[in-house]
Amino acid sequence: DAGVIQSPRHEVTEMGQEVTLRCKPISGHDYLFWYRQTMMRGLELLIYFNNNVPIDDSGMPEDRFSAKMPNASFSTLKIQPSEPRDSAVYFCASSLGVRGDYEQYFGPGTRLTVT
Amino acid sequence: GQQLNQSPQSMFIQEGEDVSMNCTSSSIFNTWLWYKQDPGEGPVLLIALYKAGELTSNGRLTAQFGITRKDSFLNISASIPSDVGIYFCAGPGNTGKLIFGQGTTLQVKP
Repeated sequence: DAGVIQSPRHEVTEMGQEVTLRCKPISGHDYLFWYRQTMMRGLELLIYFNNNVPIDDSGMPEDRFSAKMPNASFSTLKIQPSEPRDSAVYFCASSLGVRGDYEQYFGPGTRLTVT
Repeated sequence: GQQLNQSPQSMFIQEGEDVSMNCTSSSIFNTWLWYKQDPGEGPVLLIALYKAGELTSNGRLTAQFGITRKDSFLNISASIPSDVGIYFCAGPGNTGKLIFGQGTTLQVKP
C-alpha cells in the first residue's frame, strides 16, 4: 500500500509569498495530522482532522496559517503571507483513530525555506 | 504540560554494539510508541506498546512498557550502519494528541 504522500518535497520561496503544501493520507485512515518540525521546538502538532472536519487547530501559530481537507484523500496547509520564521519541515500523518489507535503514519515531509 | 524526556540525547557507537535508550515522564501514559527518523525523511513507526510491563520485539529492536507506566525503553542489538537516525518516543497526552520526546540521535561507526 502507498504511504502518506506529500508534495512538494522542497519549497523555497520569498517572504510574503503564499505557500501551499499538499498531503494525501493513507486510504481508509480517518484522521489526518499536520506537524511542523524545527531544531528548536521539535515536532509540533499544528492541526488535525477527523473525517475531513478540523477538530483541533490550537497548534496553528497564527492566522497566516490555514488548513483544509476537502475530501478524504486530500489536504492542504497554506501559509499566506510566508515569513522566514516559517522555515521548517512540515509533515502530514494519518491514522485510523486518535483514541484507541494512536499509531500515526508520517509522510516524507516538505522542507520549506522562506528567504 | 505533559512532557516526555529522552536519554541519552545522542549516542555514538561502534557497529555491532548493543544500544539502550529510554523515555520518561512525570505522568502516566497508557500507550508508548517508538519512531525512527532517517535524515530527510518522516518518522517511521517501529513499535507500539499498549500494556504495562509489555515487552515487544521487531527484528533487532526490543521495546518495553515500564511497569510504572511512566517510562519506556528501546534496545537495539548488534547495531549496523543503517540504524543511524533519530529515535523518538511518543505517547497520547491528556487531550488525546500525541506528545513526542525530543529524540535520541544515534550514530554508528562502521
